[in-house]
Amino acid sequence: KAGVTQTPRYLIKTRGQQVTLSCSPISGHRSVSWYQQTPGQGLQFLFEYFSETQRNKGNFPGRFSGRQFSNSRSEMNVSTLELGDSALYLCASSLLGQETYGYTFGSGTRLTVV
Amino acid sequence: GESVGLHLPTLSVQEGDNSIINCAYSNSASDYFIWYKQESGKGPQFIIDIRSNMDKRQGQRVTVLLNKTVKHLSLQIAATQPGDSAVYFCAEDPNAGGTSYGKLTFGQGTILTVHP
Repeated sequence: KAGVTQTPRYLIKTRGQQVTLSCSPISGHRSVSWYQQTPGQGLQFLFEYFSETQRNKGNFPGRFSGRQFSNSRSEMNVSTLELGDSALYLCASSLLGQETYGYTFGSGTRLTVV
Repeated sequence: GESVGLHLPTLSVQEGDNSIINCAYSNSASDYFIWYKQESGKGPQFIIDIRSNMDKRQGQRVTVLLNKTVKHLSLQIAATQPGDSAVYFCAEDPNAGGTSYGKLTFGQGTILTVHP
């Protein structure tokens, strides 16, 4: 079966702009989590969505937001981009998300802010 | 301010050797742990997991050991192959009881290089 698909793979944006990243989970998976990966901070949890509801959120500013659609596809948005937002953004999907085993990660979107 | 990159531990081995990658976790209440492998340009890939009621679990060529007393995890890879070269992360579920909802706390990672 198809894995987790993230689009686009690469993105270059200018400071102050906003960006939207997309994640299509494995068919049948209803939980989607987002992570930010940087050389300085490693992998950090952003938020998790299940059935269009955000159930958990990490310690990121309000510029980072997300949503989930009825087909479980998810998007995350970063507004007023800063240089420090340059990172690999990963999403992971799971059947139910009640426990964290079984999360499958996508290959990520590499965001560069200039 | 200037950001300082994580200085990832590195492990360099010869093909065929056994590799041991170590990880210290932070939350004594965590009851579920996972090892992931991340190759260049890819997302983390699940390798093996273990619950806190176990101290050892084996998979294909991999074994995870858990020492709750000192909050330590290790991943052992038998007969390491060049294809095992990657960054390896341990991750813990910080909210025991299944309410973590996707939130894993990741370790800093270890770079494994396997020489043919």
